[in-house]
Amino acid sequence: QVQLQESGPRLVKPSETLSLTCSVSGSSISTYYWTWFRQPPGKGLEWIGFIYFRGNTDYNPSLKSRVTISVDTSKNEISLKVSSVTAADTAVYYCARHHEYCSHGSCYDGYAFDLWGQGTLVTVSS
Amino acid sequence: DIGLTQSPATLSLSPGERATLSCRASQSVRSHLAWYQQKPGQAPRLLIYGASNRAPGIPARFSGSGSGTDFTLTISSLEPEDFAVYYCQQRSNWPPGITFGQGTRLEIK
Repeated sequence: QVQLQESGPRLVKPSETLSLTCSVSGSSISTYYWTWFRQPPGKGLEWIGFIYFRGNTDYNPSLKSRVTISVDTSKNEISLKVSSVTAADTAVYYCARHHEYCSHGSCYDGYAFDLWGQGTLVTVSS
Repeated sequence: DIGLTQSPATLSLSPGERATLSCRASQSVRSHLAWYQQKPGQAPRLLIYGASNRAPGIPARFSGSGSGTDFTLTISSLEPEDFAVYYCQQRSNWPPGITFGQGTRLEIK
């Protein structure tokens, strides 16, 4: 059974860098795209960015200048860094796997996200 | 960015009733539209991908339809565990990005 688990500091001071790790168990992170999302308390979901195991990335333009996503295939982990944080970055942060489905011997992009971590609440406060 | 607008914001129904949730895109997303269910304190759960395909393990009472800009999630007969928040989501190659609707809260009447 494939599982994703986010980890990292739960409290970050304003202007510092938020760093989280998503550990994947039960499957290699190779061959999939992996995405970070966040959800401020009581609000909706926001895409942060995604990465392919080879290192190709794409980021939400509204966060691009402050976000870095990387992979460590030896540890089967995906990392997220958000720099210069403010209270507006307080949220539950989720990692998720891009959905693929296979039919008649071929696999296709599902344009969705089928596996999610449980999420971790990060609070930005002094 | 492609915007997604969900309606209604809140839907109050009783167990056994039929629920119809809508999602409208600001431009065509073809069939690249997914639906999620989220309960308090939990991560979103994929229900529907490709506008109309149920994800593995999702009960048959959940169905999706639509293409282009207008999409619908239907729950044919509500079970007590179905009361939650539902989000639609699109991922586009151009303009590149991933966006969610603002959510529909399905509450017990």
